Amino acid sequence: SQKIEQNSEALNIQEGKTATLTCNYTNYSPAYLQWYRQDPGRGPVFLLLIRENEKEKRKERLKVTFDTTLKQSLFHITASQPADSATYLCALGDSNYQLIWGAGTKLIIKP
Amino acid sequence: SQTIHQWPATLVQPVGSPLSLECTVEGTSNPNLYWYRQAAGRGLQLLFYSVGIGQISSEVPQNLSASRPQDRQFILSSKKLLLSDSGFYLCAWSVVQASNYGYTFGSGTRLTVV
Repeated sequence: SQKIEQNSEALNIQEGKTATLTCNYTNYSPAYLQWYRQDPGRGPVFLLLIRENEKEKRKERLKVTFDTTLKQSLFHITASQPADSATYLCALGDSNYQLIWGAGTKLIIKP
Repeated sequence: SQTIHQWPATLVQPVGSPLSLECTVEGTSNPNLYWYRQAAGRGLQLLFYSVGIGQISSEVPQNLSASRPQDRQFILSSKKLLLSDSGFYLCAWSVVQASNYGYTFGSGTRLTVV
């Protein structure tokens, strides 16, 4: 069955450093991959989308890579700030525009 | 601009009572609409999605039902709540048949069945 894995343990990063989150998947060939941010008690907020034929996407301090051979996406936040602390979710989409969601990784940026 | 409204924010209901959660979207037409449930530490579980008025697809057999009486209104219901229905419920919309944009979520409803 299709499976998406994100680090279940919280990731602690010092302010100013680059935070890197991982999203791995198996038994799936997504057409695209999305990353969302979720704050406690709130709905997820869309950040970035990357397609299967794209290697890298950037938006301000955010960078996403997508390796369909490794079946992995990396999500980077450069010059991290305490305000970046949140849970980050990855989601894979197919040609039917349905998403499969990872459980998310909690990111903590320490001042 | 497009906005999504979901209410109530929190709800405590006794076992066996009915449920009605409402979601409305503004600023767009013919959106895809979704109901998700999120358990603590788990990924989002798709419950229902709709591509048009009166068109509902159920992903998980359960104690819940959904309806779309108007283009931008999506309702999640139950006739008799179970303890296992407790969770964080999220409504979302997306542009029809376009993957360029992500989903836009409501602020969620925290349902506790007691």
